[in-house]
Amino acid sequence: DARVTQTPRHKVTEMGQEVTMRCQPILGHNTVFWYRQTMMQGLELLAYFRNRAPLDDSGMPKDRFSAEMPDATLATLKIQPSEPRDSAVYFCASGFSRGADTYEQYFGPGTRLTVT
Amino acid sequence: SQKIEQNSEALNIQEGKTATLTCNYTNYSPAYLQWYRQDPGRGPVFLLLIRENEKEKRKERLKVTFDTTLKQSLFHITASQPADSATYLCALDNLDANKLIFGTGTLLAVQP
Repeated sequence: DARVTQTPRHKVTEMGQEVTMRCQPILGHNTVFWYRQTMMQGLELLAYFRNRAPLDDSGMPKDRFSAEMPDATLATLKIQPSEPRDSAVYFCASGFSRGADTYEQYFGPGTRLTVT
Repeated sequence: SQKIEQNSEALNIQEGKTATLTCNYTNYSPAYLQWYRQDPGRGPVFLLLIRENEKEKRKERLKVTFDTTLKQSLFHITASQPADSATYLCALDNLDANKLIFGTGTLLAVQP
């Protein structure tokens, strides 16, 4: 049963600290997405990659967030320095693109981040 | 401004009845619309996709309609079961088919 995995599942950190979240997409999927979910804003797209290349990161605060795919089996989302307003659940999702489009997305279990 | 609206209040129905959830959008011209289910503490799970040129899509007890004139999608669960209780999210593409914009979701509670 292929699944997207994310680590850590929970992270509590102090303001100003660096946070790194990791995601392993489903083998064979070529598109990876990072989302953030809060009660107020719902589910928001932060960035996505196709064949490991960043295609869009317009939803991400550039000054403190960065996303990378060092290889096809690992995507990372880093926040440095973290702030209390970054507290949210961060989801990674993957999908397979047919042509230019990715349709159904498969989500991981999320990383619940709390910044104090 | 662009908006995706789903019933913000929880929908409570009796087991065996049909649940109908609504997704309305403003100032979008999506090529397709998707529905996801999310359980507490878990990531969304893909359920159905319907394209702009399709009126209706079915999968087992699920049915989705898409009216691009009304700018609305309806999601139906027939013969609902307590196990169907979850939050249901609609999502549509925004010019870029890879960029899904999600609604805030509707919480469905099916009472036994």
